[in-house]
Amino acid sequence: QQQVKQSPQSLIVQKGGISIINCAYENTAFDYFPWYQQFPGKGPALLIAIRPDVSEKKEGRFTISFNKSAKQFSLHIMDSQPGDSATYFCAARPGGGNKLTFGTGTQLKVEL
Amino acid sequence: DADVTQTPRNRITKTGKRIMLECSQTKGHDRMYWYRQDPGLGLRLIYYSFDVKDINKGEISDGYSVSRQAQAKFSLSLESAIPNQTALYFCATSGGSASEQFFGPGTRLTVL
Repeated sequence: QQQVKQSPQSLIVQKGGISIINCAYENTAFDYFPWYQQFPGKGPALLIAIRPDVSEKKEGRFTISFNKSAKQFSLHIMDSQPGDSATYFCAARPGGGNKLTFGTGTQLKVEL
Repeated sequence: DADVTQTPRNRITKTGKRIMLECSQTKGHDRMYWYRQDPGLGLRLIYYSFDVKDINKGEISDGYSVSRQAQAKFSLSLESAIPNQTALYFCATSGGSASEQFFGPGTRLTVL
């Protein structure tokens, strides 16, 4: 049973455009929702994270939007750049725990 | 120097062979994890350890075993490798229940 569903599997965006990746979860015990960024040949690294007490978190060009009632959250990359080309994973963790459940990943390519 | 190191970085082995993947960290974290990454399946947790005396199975532990030799070292073993264990394997660490996970660079394992 996949507890965190991520879409799309791949995404091509033009430079300067907005990249949007969506995730949906089922477990209402989740209370921490990070996004990880992975470049080829590297391990994933934390990009940005949100807790369900806020509906949006912004760090530079990266924004997480969170909809608790719909059990959905999304990553928006504004003014996408070729250097943003990477695989992005959403994840979720239950309160009091440290086990992350990851989505299946989205391979983003930003074209010139 | 990298905070989380994995050896080897690449390994090709044959069906039925025993293989060990090693992970070391200099972050001083108590919690360590082993994941495998497969295209379209994301990151799946194999085993995790919250301290030297604590070992727990993840969602896909069958065919794998682990050893926590010290706070800084966590090894993953495949007792009798099979081709569907061909994947990218990541070690990760975290410092506590509320902290992010830091990933190593990964080991690409091919089982022929």
